[in-house]
Amino acid sequence: EAGVTQFPSHSVIEKGQTVTLRCDPISGHDNLYWYRRVMGKEIKFLLHFVKESKQDESGMPNNRFLAERTGGTYSTLKVQPAELEDSGVYFCASSLRQTYGYTFGSGTRLTVV
Amino acid sequence: GQQLNQSPQSMFIQEGEDVSMNCTSSSIFNTWLWYKQEPGEGPVLLIALYKAGELTSNGRLTAQFGITRKDSFLNISASIPSDVGIYFCAGVLVTGTASKLTFGTGTRLQVTL
Repeated sequence: EAGVTQFPSHSVIEKGQTVTLRCDPISGHDNLYWYRRVMGKEIKFLLHFVKESKQDESGMPNNRFLAERTGGTYSTLKVQPAELEDSGVYFCASSLRQTYGYTFGSGTRLTVV
Repeated sequence: GQQLNQSPQSMFIQEGEDVSMNCTSSSIFNTWLWYKQEPGEGPVLLIALYKAGELTSNGRLTAQFGITRKDSFLNISASIPSDVGIYFCAGVLVTGTASKLTFGTGTRLQVTL
């Protein structure tokens, strides 16, 4: 089966610009998660979708971040406007159930200059 | 928020040696996961642990879910060069319909010939 796909793999944008990251989960996985790793620190949770519903968005850093999952398939994470501290690697993961089967994508490396 | 203390931070070992790393938490988790990340890739699941006290092996890897549900260890036996990477523990907490992974800070493993 195809894995979790993330696009783009790299993005370099200027401070103040907008960037949209996309994640295609494994087909049939209702659970979709966004995580990020900033400056070599630990990977941190951003939010969790079950189908198209946000179950937990407690990890979203601020209102410059907007995640959507229309139709319960792929998801987008928009950062607007981007700040320097948003640089890092953004990972998407999906799972069949909430306690197992977490599969991560290769990540999007975001650099804000 | 919850924190996972993972140790050691890094290890430099010779090929053939055994490796041990562990994670401890101040809170309990429903599931413990161990991931390996290589450059440019997302975390890849190595072992999943679902019950307190569970001991699970995957080839040369062995991991255990602590009885208190607050800790886990991963052992790698007879290391080989391709074991190089960053190893992360992750605890899964399910609350209602939401779930999230809390990651450890990672153990960077280097294997020399």
